[in-house]
Amino acid sequence: DAKTTQPNSMESNEEEPVHLPCNHSTISGTDYIHWYRQLPSQGPEYVIHGLTSNVNNRMASLAIAEDRKSSTLILHRATLRDAAVYYCILRDQIGANSKLTFGKGITLSVRP
Amino acid sequence: NAGVTQTPKFRILKIGQSMTLQCTQDMNHNYMYWYRQDPGMGLKLIYYSVGAGITDKGEVPNGYNVSRSTTEDFPLRLELAAPSQTSVYFCASSYSIGGQSPLHFGNGTRLTVT
Repeated sequence: DAKTTQPNSMESNEEEPVHLPCNHSTISGTDYIHWYRQLPSQGPEYVIHGLTSNVNNRMASLAIAEDRKSSTLILHRATLRDAAVYYCILRDQIGANSKLTFGKGITLSVRP
Repeated sequence: NAGVTQTPKFRILKIGQSMTLQCTQDMNHNYMYWYRQDPGMGLKLIYYSVGAGITDKGEVPNGYNVSRSTTEDFPLRLELAAPSQTSVYFCASSYSIGGQSPLHFGNGTRLTVT
């Protein structure tokens, strides 16, 4: 299965943009890039996903490198409520990697 | 829509006891999953189901059993609880098993085995 690599932690200031990186150098052509976040004592929450093009939604933006070997989750204005663990995972288009495991993710801290 | 609902929220078991963790979803999703999350770690897949009557093992299935008699429900059974099963258990669902489909998670069951 294709794996992802993320830094252990990042810090940000409130109301500033945050760029969370993810490396996935062994990504296959049919893998979608998904991001989830997990607030303390809650289940993971879907944030955004994409295949090749950059994606925007009400929560965040996803920038995908041209070679697809890395991606960046962008939170445009961090708030204290964005402090969470952020997971980057790959999901195969046809479900071949349905035995899907989440890594440790990036722990984002937001300073007031 | 309630989404994915898990019960109970917390449970303490003695070694050797058994219990069933309940999971139900109201989104008519065919695909459902059970994960466990140990302290400070990511999530590991225990079992998953692609529809009523069809289940398959994930990465860490030992010590657990599942069944899927309806689209809505996907219970996880622990037969002989062991301290190594102390963890937080998350149930999830998706409308497709493919990459276009996000996972929807419940808020978890925190289980302690002593």
